[in-house]
Amino acid sequence: DARVTQTPRHKVTEMGQEVTMRCQPILGHNTVFWYRQTMMQGLELLAYFRNRAPLDDSGMPKDRFSAEMPDATLATLKIQPSEPRDSAVYFCASGLALSGPPSYNEQFFGPGTRLTVL
Amino acid sequence: AQTVTQSQPEMSVQEAETVTLSCTYDTSESDYYLFWYKQPPSRQMILVIRQEAYKQQNATENRFSVNFQKAAKSFSLKISDSQLGDAAMYFCAYSTGNQFYFGTGTSLTVIP
Repeated sequence: DARVTQTPRHKVTEMGQEVTMRCQPILGHNTVFWYRQTMMQGLELLAYFRNRAPLDDSGMPKDRFSAEMPDATLATLKIQPSEPRDSAVYFCASGLALSGPPSYNEQFFGPGTRLTVL
Repeated sequence: AQTVTQSQPEMSVQEAETVTLSCTYDTSESDYYLFWYKQPPSRQMILVIRQEAYKQQNATENRFSVNFQKAAKSFSLKISDSQLGDAAMYFCAYSTGNQFYFGTGTSLTVIP
């Protein structure tokens, strides 16, 4: 049963600390997305990779957030330094885009990481 | 700017009845895609149905169907024969190119 996994599932940290969230996409998928979900803003796309290359990260605050794919089986989202307003659920999703823009392709979501910054 | 609006924060439906969730979007693009995702209490987002803007025929997936009105920029989801397992947050989403936008969601309660 292939699924996207995310670690940790929950993270509580203090303001100013570095936070790293990890995602393992479904084997064989070539697109990875990072989303942030809050009550106020809903679901926001932060960054998006295709074949490990970042295609769009315009939704991500560049001064403190960074997203990488060290290899095809791991995507990371890092916040440094973290702030209370970063508290949210962070979702990773993966998909398979064979040709053209992946806009149409189904995204398979992970269970999310609930981040609380005190 | 592209935005997705779900004007119904909460909806309820009697089991076995039909319910329609509303979604409107704003775009200047002609080629795009629309989706409905379901998020149950487990938080796992699941694709329910999708529609390509250039297709006039409304998409259908078993008990789920959409009413896509391109000129009106409307994309509603109809759930027929509602089941208890349909209770969840439903998100309407729009995508084009490398951009994806989600609405704020509609919480659906199914009454036994």
